[in-house]
Amino acid sequence: VLTQSPAILSLSPGERATLSCRASQSVGNYLAWYQQKPGQAPRLLIYDASNRATGIPARFSGSGSGTDFTLTINSLQPEDFAVYYCQQRGNWLTFGGGTRVEIK
Amino acid sequence: EVQLLESGGGLVQTGGSLRLSCAASGFTFSNYVMTWVRQAPGKGLEWVAAISGNGGNTYHADSVKGRFTISRDNSKNTLYLQMNSLRAEDTAVYYCARDVKGSDWYFDLWGRGTLVTVSS
Repeated sequence: VLTQSPAILSLSPGERATLSCRASQSVGNYLAWYQQKPGQAPRLLIYDASNRATGIPARFSGSGSGTDFTLTINSLQPEDFAVYYCQQRGNWLTFGGGTRVEIK
Repeated sequence: EVQLLESGGGLVQTGGSLRLSCAASGFTFSNYVMTWVRQAPGKGLEWVAAISGNGGNTYHADSVKGRFTISRDNSKNTLYLQMNSLRAEDTAVYYCARDVKGSDWYFDLWGRGTLVTVSS
Protein backbone atom coordinates (compact mmCIF):
# COMPACT_ATOMS: atom_id res chain seq x y z
CA VAL A 1 0.00 0.00 0.00
CA LEU A 2 1.23 3.48 -0.91
CA THR A 3 0.10 6.39 1.29
CA GLN A 4 0.51 9.91 -0.05
CA SER A 5 0.52 13.03 2.08
CA PRO A 6 -0.78 15.59 2.33
CA ALA A 7 -4.00 14.97 0.45
CA ILE A 8 -4.15 18.61 -0.54
CA LEU A 9 -1.28 21.10 -0.68
CA SER A 10 -2.15 24.78 -1.06
CA LEU A 11 0.73 26.88 -2.33
CA SER A 12 1.41 30.02 -4.33
CA PRO A 13 3.29 30.16 -7.64
CA GLY A 14 7.01 30.38 -7.01
CA GLU A 15 6.88 28.36 -3.80
CA ARG A 16 8.40 24.92 -3.30
CA ALA A 17 6.15 21.86 -3.09
CA THR A 18 7.16 18.80 -1.10
CA LEU A 19 5.02 15.71 -1.59
CA SER A 20 5.42 12.48 0.37
CA CYS A 21 4.76 8.85 -0.56
CA ARG A 22 5.15 6.12 2.04
CA ALA A 23 5.10 2.39 1.27
CA SER A 24 3.83 -0.18 3.74
CA GLN A 25 6.86 -2.34 2.95
CA SER A 26 10.13 -1.69 1.19
CA VAL A 27 9.95 -1.22 -2.58
CA GLY A 28 13.65 -0.52 -2.99
CA ASN A 29 13.95 2.40 -5.37
CA TYR A 30 11.17 1.12 -7.60
CA LEU A 31 8.97 4.16 -7.39
CA ALA A 32 7.60 6.62 -9.94
CA TRP A 33 5.72 9.89 -9.82
CA TYR A 34 3.01 11.02 -12.24
CA GLN A 35 1.21 14.31 -12.77
CA GLN A 36 -2.41 14.39 -13.86
CA LYS A 37 -4.44 17.41 -14.91
CA PRO A 38 -8.25 17.41 -15.20
CA GLY A 39 -9.47 15.52 -18.25
CA GLN A 40 -5.98 14.34 -19.16
CA ALA A 41 -4.05 11.11 -18.88
CA PRO A 42 -1.26 10.84 -16.31
CA ARG A 43 2.22 12.04 -17.28
CA LEU A 44 5.34 10.26 -16.06
CA LEU A 45 7.64 12.65 -14.17
CA ILE A 46 10.11 10.53 -12.21
CA TYR A 47 11.00 6.82 -12.26
CA ASP A 48 13.30 4.68 -10.13
CA ALA A 49 12.76 7.24 -7.37
CA SER A 50 15.01 9.95 -8.78
CA ASN A 51 15.32 9.75 -12.57
CA ARG A 52 13.49 12.42 -14.53
CA ALA A 53 11.55 11.17 -17.51
CA THR A 54 12.24 12.58 -20.95
CA GLY A 55 11.26 16.22 -21.29
CA ILE A 56 10.53 16.81 -17.60
CA PRO A 57 11.81 20.16 -16.31
CA ALA A 58 14.63 20.20 -13.79
CA ARG A 59 12.41 21.83 -11.13
CA PHE A 60 10.92 18.36 -10.57
CA SER A 61 13.09 16.07 -8.46
CA GLY A 62 12.55 12.83 -6.62
CA SER A 63 14.33 11.23 -3.70
CA GLY A 64 14.04 8.38 -1.24
CA SER A 65 14.32 4.61 -1.06
CA GLY A 66 12.82 1.73 0.83
CA THR A 67 9.55 3.02 2.26
CA ASP A 68 9.82 6.84 2.19
CA PHE A 69 9.88 8.92 -0.96
CA THR A 70 9.58 12.60 -1.79
CA LEU A 71 8.70 14.57 -4.89
CA THR A 72 9.94 18.15 -4.80
CA ILE A 73 8.79 20.83 -7.19
CA ASN A 74 10.97 23.93 -6.98
CA SER A 75 9.41 27.28 -7.81
CA LEU A 76 5.89 26.17 -8.73
CA GLN A 77 4.75 27.28 -12.15
CA PRO A 78 1.06 27.86 -13.00
CA GLU A 79 1.03 24.64 -15.06
CA ASP A 80 2.21 22.58 -12.07
CA PHE A 81 -1.07 22.81 -10.19
CA ALA A 82 -2.45 19.32 -10.63
CA VAL A 83 -2.80 15.96 -8.90
CA TYR A 84 0.33 13.88 -8.32
CA TYR A 85 0.43 10.11 -7.89
CA CYS A 86 3.22 7.81 -6.83
CA GLN A 87 3.43 4.28 -8.24
CA GLN A 88 5.53 1.35 -7.05
CA ARG A 89 6.65 -1.71 -8.98
CA GLY A 90 8.53 -3.44 -6.18
CA ASN A 91 5.55 -5.55 -5.11
CA TRP A 92 3.22 -5.98 -8.07
CA LEU A 93 2.09 -2.55 -9.20
CA THR A 94 0.09 -0.06 -7.14
CA PHE A 95 -0.62 3.64 -7.08
CA GLY A 96 -0.92 5.99 -4.15
CA GLY A 97 -4.11 7.90 -3.50
CA GLY A 98 -2.78 11.19 -4.86
CA THR A 99 -1.88 14.67 -3.65
CA ARG A 100 -3.68 17.65 -5.12
CA VAL A 101 -1.48 20.75 -5.43
CA GLU A 102 -3.79 23.73 -5.57
CA ILE A 103 -3.30 27.46 -5.87
CA LYS A 104 -3.42 29.24 -2.52
CA GLU B 1 3.31 10.02 -34.54
CA VAL B 2 3.79 7.97 -31.39
CA GLN B 3 0.37 7.42 -29.86
CA LEU B 4 -2.13 5.10 -28.26
CA LEU B 5 -5.84 5.21 -29.03
CA GLU B 6 -8.38 3.35 -26.93
CA SER B 7 -11.82 2.30 -28.11
CA GLY B 8 -14.65 0.00 -27.11
CA GLY B 9 -15.98 1.73 -24.03
CA GLY B 10 -19.64 2.39 -23.43
CA LEU B 11 -22.65 1.61 -21.30
CA VAL B 12 -23.17 -2.00 -20.30
CA GLN B 13 -25.47 -3.74 -17.86
CA THR B 14 -24.26 -5.38 -14.69
CA GLY B 15 -23.02 -8.87 -15.53
CA GLY B 16 -22.34 -7.96 -19.14
CA SER B 17 -19.15 -7.97 -21.20
CA LEU B 18 -17.06 -5.50 -23.17
CA ARG B 19 -13.80 -5.68 -25.06
CA LEU B 20 -11.55 -2.66 -25.05
CA SER B 21 -8.95 -2.09 -27.72
CA CYS B 22 -5.85 0.08 -27.77
CA ALA B 23 -4.29 0.81 -31.15
CA ALA B 24 -0.60 1.69 -31.03
CA SER B 25 1.36 3.58 -33.65
CA GLY B 26 4.75 5.17 -34.15
CA PHE B 27 6.85 2.64 -32.22
CA THR B 28 7.79 -1.04 -32.23
CA PHE B 29 4.81 -2.32 -30.29
CA SER B 30 6.18 -5.79 -29.60
CA ASN B 31 9.19 -4.38 -27.73
CA TYR B 32 7.10 -3.02 -24.87
CA VAL B 33 5.21 -4.19 -21.82
CA MET B 34 1.72 -2.71 -22.05
CA THR B 35 -0.77 -2.08 -19.31
CA TRP B 36 -4.33 -1.05 -18.54
CA VAL B 37 -4.98 1.43 -15.73
CA ARG B 38 -8.42 2.65 -14.73
CA GLN B 39 -9.78 5.65 -12.90
CA ALA B 40 -13.25 5.71 -11.37
CA PRO B 41 -15.05 9.06 -11.54
CA GLY B 42 -13.40 11.49 -9.15
CA LYS B 43 -11.04 8.82 -7.81
CA GLY B 44 -7.40 7.86 -8.12
CA LEU B 45 -5.56 5.53 -10.46
CA GLU B 46 -5.89 1.75 -10.21
CA TRP B 47 -3.68 -0.70 -12.10
CA VAL B 48 -5.76 -3.36 -13.86
CA ALA B 49 -3.50 -5.62 -15.92
CA ALA B 50 -0.21 -5.85 -17.80
CA ILE B 51 1.27 -8.01 -20.53
CA SER B 52 4.79 -8.71 -21.71
CA GLY B 53 5.99 -7.67 -25.14
CA ASN B 54 5.54 -11.09 -26.72
CA GLY B 55 2.27 -11.70 -24.89
CA GLY B 56 3.62 -14.73 -23.10
CA ASN B 57 3.19 -13.32 -19.61
CA THR B 58 0.09 -11.63 -18.26
CA TYR B 59 -0.64 -10.10 -14.90
CA HIS B 60 -3.99 -9.06 -13.44
CA ALA B 61 -4.98 -7.15 -10.33
CA ASP B 62 -6.84 -9.19 -7.72
CA SER B 63 -9.91 -6.98 -8.22
CA VAL B 64 -10.33 -8.21 -11.81
CA LYS B 65 -8.68 -11.63 -11.77
CA GLY B 66 -10.93 -14.25 -13.27
CA ARG B 67 -13.17 -11.63 -14.90
CA PHE B 68 -10.81 -9.56 -17.10
CA THR B 69 -8.22 -10.81 -19.56
CA ILE B 70 -5.45 -8.77 -21.14
CA SER B 71 -4.09 -9.81 -24.52
CA ARG B 72 -2.30 -8.35 -27.51
CA ASP B 73 -1.94 -8.90 -31.25
CA ASN B 74 1.49 -7.68 -32.25
CA SER B 75 0.70 -8.15 -35.95
CA LYS B 76 -2.04 -5.56 -35.52
CA ASN B 77 -0.20 -3.36 -32.98
CA THR B 78 -3.23 -3.66 -30.74
CA LEU B 79 -3.76 -4.29 -27.05
CA TYR B 80 -7.02 -5.69 -25.70
CA LEU B 81 -8.90 -6.00 -22.44
CA GLN B 82 -11.74 -8.49 -22.37
CA MET B 83 -14.04 -7.61 -19.48
CA ASN B 84 -16.66 -10.12 -18.34
CA SER B 85 -19.07 -10.24 -15.38
CA LEU B 86 -18.94 -6.48 -15.11
CA ARG B 87 -19.88 -4.81 -11.85
CA ALA B 88 -20.89 -1.27 -10.94
CA GLU B 89 -17.46 -0.77 -9.36
CA ASP B 90 -15.80 -1.37 -12.73
CA THR B 91 -17.20 1.96 -13.93
CA ALA B 92 -14.15 4.04 -14.84
CA VAL B 93 -12.08 5.59 -17.56
CA TYR B 94 -9.74 2.89 -18.84
CA TYR B 95 -6.31 3.97 -20.06
CA CYS B 96 -3.80 1.89 -21.94
CA ALA B 97 -0.16 2.79 -21.42
CA ARG B 98 3.30 1.82 -22.68
CA ASP B 99 6.33 0.94 -20.60
CA VAL B 100 8.97 3.64 -20.48
CA LYS B 101 11.90 1.46 -21.58
CA GLY B 102 10.37 -1.84 -22.54
CA SER B 103 9.96 -3.76 -19.31
CA ASP B 104 10.49 -1.33 -16.44
CA TRP B 105 6.88 -1.23 -15.36
CA TYR B 106 6.70 2.53 -15.40
CA PHE B 107 4.54 4.08 -18.10
CA ASP B 108 5.41 7.09 -20.20
CA LEU B 109 2.95 6.96 -23.10
CA TRP B 110 -0.76 6.96 -22.36
CA GLY B 111 -3.90 7.02 -24.43
CA ARG B 112 -6.74 9.46 -23.80
CA GLY B 113 -8.85 6.78 -22.17
CA THR B 114 -12.23 5.21 -22.87
CA LEU B 115 -15.15 5.39 -20.46
CA VAL B 116 -16.86 2.23 -19.28
CA THR B 117 -20.13 2.65 -17.43
CA VAL B 118 -21.71 -0.36 -15.75
CA SER B 119 -25.30 0.12 -14.72
CA SER B 120 -28.25 -1.99 -13.80
